[in-house]
Amino acid sequence: AQSVAQPEDQVNVAEGNPLTVKCTYSVSGNPYLFWYVQYPNRGLQFLLKYITGDNLVKGSYGFEAEFNKSQTSFHLKKPSALVSDSALYFCAVRDNEDFNKFYFGSGTKLNVKP
Amino acid sequence: EAQVTQNPRYLITVTGKKLTVTCSQNMNHEYMSWYRQDPGLGLRQIYYSMNVEVTDKGDVPEGYKVSRKEKRNFPLILESPSPNQTSLYFCASSFTGLDTDTQYFGPGTRLTVL
Repeated sequence: AQSVAQPEDQVNVAEGNPLTVKCTYSVSGNPYLFWYVQYPNRGLQFLLKYITGDNLVKGSYGFEAEFNKSQTSFHLKKPSALVSDSALYFCAVRDNEDFNKFYFGSGTKLNVKP
Repeated sequence: EAQVTQNPRYLITVTGKKLTVTCSQNMNHEYMSWYRQDPGLGLRQIYYSMNVEVTDKGDVPEGYKVSRKEKRNFPLILESPSPNQTSLYFCASSFTGLDTDTQYFGPGTRLTVL
């Protein structure tokens, strides 16, 4: 079965500092991974995805994610956090055996303080 | 404007009273899906649809029904709601190609079953 885990319920970071939101995955075969962001009272918005190729994936709003096969991780990163980045972040994986199915992590709340 | 709409946005109902949550998209997407979001559990997929008249179960389909009679609409039906279906529900849509499968999410429907 495919799954992703987000080990941190909450991440706190000061504005201007780098941020990392962690995600690990468990899949059979090659993973197909996503990051989504949810702002308060809104639906999820796509940030970036990894299919194959470069291990560093660049996405929206200055975010990037690093795919690490040996550590089965797909951590979300940003060099310099903004207060407006405060939101709920979800990692997700597409099922390799049924491409119509998606599995989401439990979410990590990012708090960026001025 | 490209969007996924859901109605109602908020609903309080009682156990056993049938209800329907509507979902509509204007992007001509083939794929549509329903998720529920619960604290600590992230998003879990309820049902999905690959195209008109093609639907299948996700991870947590029990107690729900769906239909896809038109490409743009994908209603979620709770025939006999129970309190454990109190949740935040999201509809999403996308194209089906691996390069175009970014999901667009609706704003959510907060359902309370008393």
